Amino acid sequence: GEDVEQSLFLSVREGDSSVINCTYTDSSSTYLYWYKQEPGAGLQLLTYIFSNMDMKQDQRLTVLLNKKDKHLSLRIADTQTGDSAIYFCAAPRTGGGNKLTFGTGTQLKVEL
Amino acid sequence: NAGVTQTPKFQVLKTGQSMTLQCAQDMNHEYMSWYRQDPGMGLRLIHYSVGAGITDQGEVPNGYNVSRSTTEDFPLRLLSAAPSQTSVYFCASRVMGVMNTEAFFGQGTRLTVV
Repeated sequence: GEDVEQSLFLSVREGDSSVINCTYTDSSSTYLYWYKQEPGAGLQLLTYIFSNMDMKQDQRLTVLLNKKDKHLSLRIADTQTGDSAIYFCAAPRTGGGNKLTFGTGTQLKVEL
Repeated sequence: NAGVTQTPKFQVLKTGQSMTLQCAQDMNHEYMSWYRQDPGMGLRLIHYSVGAGITDQGEVPNGYNVSRSTTEDFPLRLLSAAPSQTSVYFCASRVMGVMNTEAFFGQGTRLTVV
């Protein structure tokens, strides 16, 4: 089945760029997703990328996809304290129909 | 439009007790699912449903039951609580379509089993 891995923690200074990385195993993944979880809340879909794209930009967010290395990254430009949250990468399961596999989540801490 | 509503937000159970976590959505979504979130393990799928009367197991279904008698509601039942079921539980719903993603999550239920 699909395996999705992320590093657990990232600390950046306010105003710097943050880069959160994710690796996955299933090369047939059609869409790959980034979710954001703020403290005490559920997950919110932040952005997604289709597997035939290399890059997607949405305001301060840039998603990069390297299909050869099965590597996905989320870059947040001009990181703000409000960006402090846990970020999850997710990919569809192999043969899993509508189900997703989530990474462990990366806790982003933004320091002043 | 309330989205996905989970109740309760917090619960403490004794080992062996049973309880039901409630989940309701008002968006007429066909697909609903339950996840548990544990530190360092991400979200793991417990059970899911593709429509009223249809349910199936996820990757960690043992100790949990679900039913889907209506489109709106998808309760999760713990039959005999165990300390290993201490976790945060999330319900999610979405429209079934091209983008296979859980678009809407509830706020979560933090369950402690002592």
